Amino acid sequence: EIVMTQSPAALSVSPGERATLSCRASQNVNSHLAWYQQKPGQAPRLLIYATSTRATGIPARFSGSGSGTEFTLSISSLQSEDFAVYYCQQYDNWPSSFGQGTNLEIK
Amino acid sequence: QVQLMESGGGVVQPGGSLRLSCAASGFTFNTYGMHWVRQAPGKGLEWVAFIWYDGSNKYYADSVKGRFIISRDNSKNTLHLQLNSMRAEDTATFYCARGKKDGSAQLGMVNYHYYYIDVWGKGTTVTVSS
Repeated sequence: EIVMTQSPAALSVSPGERATLSCRASQNVNSHLAWYQQKPGQAPRLLIYATSTRATGIPARFSGSGSGTEFTLSISSLQSEDFAVYYCQQYDNWPSSFGQGTNLEIK
Repeated sequence: QVQLMESGGGVVQPGGSLRLSCAASGFTFNTYGMHWVRQAPGKGLEWVAFIWYDGSNKYYADSVKGRFIISRDNSKNTLHLQLNSMRAEDTATFYCARGKKDGSAQLGMVNYHYYYIDVWGKGTTVTVSS
């Protein structure tokens, strides 16, 4: 099973600033990496798939990068609605697996 | 409008069973693979199971293999998850989710297909307690 490790566990950033979230896979997952956003009491929402492709309706301030085992989600100019928990998921190998999440908090 | 609606959650005793269902609408159900994902209270997401569009292949997390069974009824646009031999650690919100294909690859004699999640249901809550 591929273990996904996200860092940091929590990140405090001021509105308008940039946030950078990391995700590491225990083995190569090629480009098969997705990012999801979850707000309290809600289901997750797809942000990014195939490492860097934004899902429909996702603002351009969200961007993904990386390959192999190291991946990054960047959010430029944070808006109030962006403060949430973010998860990465590898879907290269079964069983699929999620990272433990990064809680993006308002500073 | 694409919708997934889970049902069947509730309280069950340790060792008991429960059957979750997910009603799909707004898309051609029999052309999509489907996932189940769960989230224990206050914890992160845990991938549980996946089934191919036609039910021919199924995959499970190690934590549920041999206890949970994923199935689907394409004539009724419905996904199921049978939960058996339940434990306290199975307490969670269970989400039904649509699998969107992100390409395929052939490695040797084996064909691989890659599915991320593009649509989520709102979830149904399962509590295992005596």
